[in-house]
Order: sequence, then structure tokens, then C-alpha cells
Amino acid sequence: DAGVIQSPRHEVTEMGQEVTLRCKPISGHDYLFWYRQTMMRGLELLIYFNNNVPIDDSGMPEDRFSAKMPNASFSTLKIQPSEPRDSAVYFCASSFRAPRDTGELFFGEGSRLTVL
Amino acid sequence: AQSVTQLGSHVSVSEGALVLLRCNYSSSVPPYLFWYVQYPNQGLQLLLKYTTGATLVKGINGFEAEFKKSETSFHLTKPSAHMSDAAEYFCAVSARDAGGTSYGKLTFGQGTILTVHP
Repeated sequence: DAGVIQSPRHEVTEMGQEVTLRCKPISGHDYLFWYRQTMMRGLELLIYFNNNVPIDDSGMPEDRFSAKMPNASFSTLKIQPSEPRDSAVYFCASSFRAPRDTGELFFGEGSRLTVL
Repeated sequence: AQSVTQLGSHVSVSEGALVLLRCNYSSSVPPYLFWYVQYPNQGLQLLLKYTTGATLVKGINGFEAEFKKSETSFHLTKPSAHMSDAAEYFCAVSARDAGGTSYGKLTFGQGTILTVHP
């Protein structure tokens, strides 16, 4: 079975440019999460969706960040304009919530973003 | 609110030695607990999890963890380290409702980098 698929795996851009990261969750999963990983702050939850609806976006650092989930099989995380401090690895994860589900997450391989 | 504290951002052991990675959690109700492993340039993958029942949980690659409610701990151990165990390890908690269903959101600790020396 295909896991969570993220693209691009690596992105290098210049400050001020728009960055779009993409994620395809595991089929049938109804939760989708975006995490950011940095050396300084570790793993931070940015936003998560349930059935394509954003549930909690309190982790989104500022208005430059936006996330969408137009359908059950696709989500984007956009940064506009990008800044050097946005450099990080961005992970997408999905899960399936059923009665008594434990909430285990399945992670993609991440998108490594470098903003020069 | 829940939180996770991993004691020691770096742990170094010799090959064949005991591995002990510490995790303490804070939660209003007993949560679900997880250990994830991250190898270089890869995503996180589940090592083991505690939900209910037996407090000693066995995972992949010879790792195990014990849930101790009185100590609010979920330490990860492996009797004999292997070079391939070198990675970063994350402890995580998931809040759940009274019916036992997870809210679907994990809170992660800061991670512990395990180095294994030959």
C-alpha cells in the first residue's frame, strides 16, 4: 500500500518567493496533519484537518502560512512570502479515527525547505 | 492540556549495551503513548504504542517500553544496542475521550538522538 506522499522532497528558494508543499494522505484516512521540524523547536504541529475541514490551525506561525485540503486525497501548505526562518523540514501525516482508534500517525518522508 | 518531556537530548551507548531513553508525560487522563523513530532524512515511523492492557509493550527491532502510571513515565529500552539503532527517537501522547477514542492529535517530545559506538 502507498504511504503518505509528499512533494517536493527538497525545495530551495529565495526569500520573498512563494512556496507550495503538497501531500497525498493514505486512502481512507480522515485526519491530515502538517508538522514542521527544526533543530531549535523540534516537531511542531502547524494545522490539522478532519474530513477536509481545518480543525486547529493555532500552530500556524503567521499569516504568511496557509493550508488547504480541497478533497480527501490532497492537501497543500503554502508560504507566501517565504523567509529564511521558514527553513525546516515539513512533514505531512495522516490517520484514521475509528471507535477506540489510538490515533497513530503515518508520516510522509518530509519536504526539506531552504529559503536563502 | 498534555505535554511530553524526554530527558536527555543526546544518549550515547556502546554496541551491545543497554539502551534507555526516558519519557515522562503530563495528561489529565491516561493517554495513549507512542514511541516513534526517525532515521536520517526520513519521516517518523512507529516503534511501539501503549493503549490499554499490558503495561509492558514490545515493538519492532527489539525495543520495548513500560507504562508506569504512578510515575507518569513511558521509558524505552533495548537490552543490546546495535549500530543500526542510531537514530532520533520521539515520545508522543494522544489525548482520548472517555470512550477511549483518540482525538487524533499527537503531542511530541523534543526527541532524543541515540548514538551507538562500535
